[in-house]
Amino acid sequence: NAGVTQTPKFRILKIGQSMTLQCTQDMNHNYMYWYRQDPGMGLKLIYYSVGAGITDKGEVPNGYNVSRSTTEDFPLRLELAAPSQTSVYFCASSYYSSGKSYEQYFGPGTRLTVT
Amino acid sequence: EDQVTQSPEALRLQEGESSSLNCSYTVSGLRGLFWYRQDPGKGPEFLFTLYSAGEEKEKERLKATLTKKESFLHITAPKPEDSATYLCAVQATGVGRGSTLGRLYFGRGTQLTVWP
Repeated sequence: NAGVTQTPKFRILKIGQSMTLQCTQDMNHNYMYWYRQDPGMGLKLIYYSVGAGITDKGEVPNGYNVSRSTTEDFPLRLELAAPSQTSVYFCASSYYSSGKSYEQYFGPGTRLTVT
Repeated sequence: EDQVTQSPEALRLQEGESSSLNCSYTVSGLRGLFWYRQDPGKGPEFLFTLYSAGEEKEKERLKATLTKKESFLHITAPKPEDSATYLCAVQATGVGRGSTLGRLYFGRGTQLTVWP
C-alpha cells in the first residue's frame, strides 16, 4: 500500500493564480481531511469529507474548495491565491465506524509559496 | 472551546537522559487522544491512540499515558534518532457548531532534540 499520496511536493504561485492540490489514498478509508501547517502553529483543519459526495468546512475554509467524487481522491482547490495561503498542506485519511475513532494517516505534504 | 496545549515547546536531551512531554487538554468529552511524530519536511507519523484515563501504550523507548486532563509521552534512554517534533491531538465527543465527527484538535508540538 502506498498510503496517502500528495502531488505536487512543492509549488510557487503568483498572487491571483489558482491551483489544485491532489490527494489519493489506497486504504479504503471513508474519512479524508485537508490541513494546513504554519511555522510554530498546530495543524488547522481546512475541509474534511466523510465519504464520496459529502464534504464540510473545518476551521479555516476561506479561499479553498474541495470535492470528493470517489473514495480514493480528495483534491483541494485554491482560487485566487493570496500570500496568506503560503503554508504546508497535508492530506490525511482515517476509518470511522460505529462511534469508534481510528488514527489518521498523513501524506508527505505540499509546500506552497504564494508571492 | 476545546483546546490542546503541549509543553515544553522545545526540549534538548543528552542521549540516555529520560524525560517526559506533556499534553493537556480541555474538551467537552474525550473520544480519543493521539500522539504523532513529525520529522522535518514530512507528514505526521502515527504513534499511539489512548481512549480512557489510566490507559498506557508502549513502543520501543516511548510510553504514552492518559489521565482525565492530560497525557504524557515518556521517553526512556532516548537516542539521536528520536529527535523530531511530537504532536498531540484530541478528538472530542461534543456535538454542535465546530464539532466534527473524526475531527482532531492538534497542539503546537514539542520539538525534541537528542544529542550524542
